[in-house]
Amino acid sequence: GENVEQHPSTLSVQEGDSAVIKCTYSDSASNYFPWYKQELGKRPQLIIDIRSNVGEKKDQRIAVTLNKTAKHFSLHITETQPEDSAVYFCAARRNQAGTALIFGKGTTLSVSS
Amino acid sequence: SQTIHQWPATLVQPVGSPLSLECTVEGTSNPNLYWYRQAAGRGLQLLFYSVGIGQISSEVPQNLSASRPQDRQFILSSKKLLLSDSGFYLCAWKQGYNTYEQYFGPGTRLTVT
Repeated sequence: GENVEQHPSTLSVQEGDSAVIKCTYSDSASNYFPWYKQELGKRPQLIIDIRSNVGEKKDQRIAVTLNKTAKHFSLHITETQPEDSAVYFCAARRNQAGTALIFGKGTTLSVSS
Repeated sequence: SQTIHQWPATLVQPVGSPLSLECTVEGTSNPNLYWYRQAAGRGLQLLFYSVGIGQISSEVPQNLSASRPQDRQFILSSKKLLLSDSGFYLCAWKQGYNTYEQYFGPGTRLTVT
């Protein structure tokens, strides 16, 4: 089955700096890669996703890149703000019947002002 | 629009007691439904998923079970809780086969004492 590795487990940056979180996946047939943000005590929220037919997707200050050959994808947050502090999870899945998202173990991002 | 509900929001149960957590989705039909568990400070572990009424796939052998008695209802149960069952239980849904995005419910925080 699918296995997703996520690094780093913790990341501390100064406000205004960029943050990068990286994930690798094992199943070459996976074709959907979302990122979730989870604030303390809350549910994970989908913030951006990418499908295997594109290499990069951007939404304001966040972007995701995908390298299918190397089987890794990354989340990039620019101009970080204190409200970006949260746990971020990457995930991967084959989009076919009978499959589910498999998540990485999460990255705790702390943005200090 | 679609809405996902979980109850109870919090639960404190003694070791050896039974468990029943409920998840319902409104505003959609024939969703894919998922149960995840998040231990304190840990990642999202997939427990069960269902693509239709009465169809349950189990990802991790343990003392938990799941049922889907109705199209938009997903139930997580246990006959006898263990201390290690404590955690944040999250139900999630996805609209059928040809969509990608998966959304989480508000979660149930379970403490086994």
